[in-house]
Amino acid sequence: AQSVTQLDSQVPVFEEAPVELRCNYSSSVSVYLFWYVQYPNQGLQLLLKYLSGSTLVESINGFEAEFNKSQTSFHLRKPSVHISDTAEYFCAVSVTPGNQFYFGTGTSLTVIP
Amino acid sequence: NAGVTQTPKFRVLKTGQSMTLLCAQDMNHEYMYWYRQDPGMGLRLIHYSVGEGTTAKGEVPDGYNVSRLKKQNFLLGLESAAPSQTSVYFCASSSIASGAVGLFFGEGSRLTVL
Repeated sequence: AQSVTQLDSQVPVFEEAPVELRCNYSSSVSVYLFWYVQYPNQGLQLLLKYLSGSTLVESINGFEAEFNKSQTSFHLRKPSVHISDTAEYFCAVSVTPGNQFYFGTGTSLTVIP
Repeated sequence: NAGVTQTPKFRVLKTGQSMTLLCAQDMNHEYMYWYRQDPGMGLRLIHYSVGEGTTAKGEVPDGYNVSRLKKQNFLLGLESAAPSQTSVYFCASSSIASGAVGLFFGEGSRLTVL
């Protein structure tokens, strides 16, 4: 089975400051990588994903993540956060075949005014 | 297009009672999943289904049963609820083509067992 590690359980950051949420996974095979966001009392929504090609992927709201195969990492970054980015962020890995998804324990991002 | 719908959204049970959570998806996805979410533990897979009439155990299946009689529905049952099953339950679905599509989640069902 795969494992996904999110080392930071809580990340407080001031508004307009940059942030990085770390994600490492264990796999020796090809994987698909995802970041999901969960706003309070809601389900998880797909933020961005890496399937193949360019190792840098971006979301529509300014987040980006870079796939680093040698370090088995998929860290999430944003150059300037907003209050509305306060949420729980989950990193996930999918290995095919099988459509199995493995989640990290989540990082709670709190943006401070 | 509703996506993934879970009912009920909230439920309070007494220890030993039974209940069923219903998940319905309208995207014609083959794969469906039930997760539970607990503080500090992320999402843990309870059971999943790769198609109508088939189910399989996930990471934490004990105390739960599931059924997938129709492609669009995935039911999660608790035969004898325990306080340890107090959690938020999420249903999700995905395409069979590959994992590339990712998971589509419902809004969650918050269960409290007293």
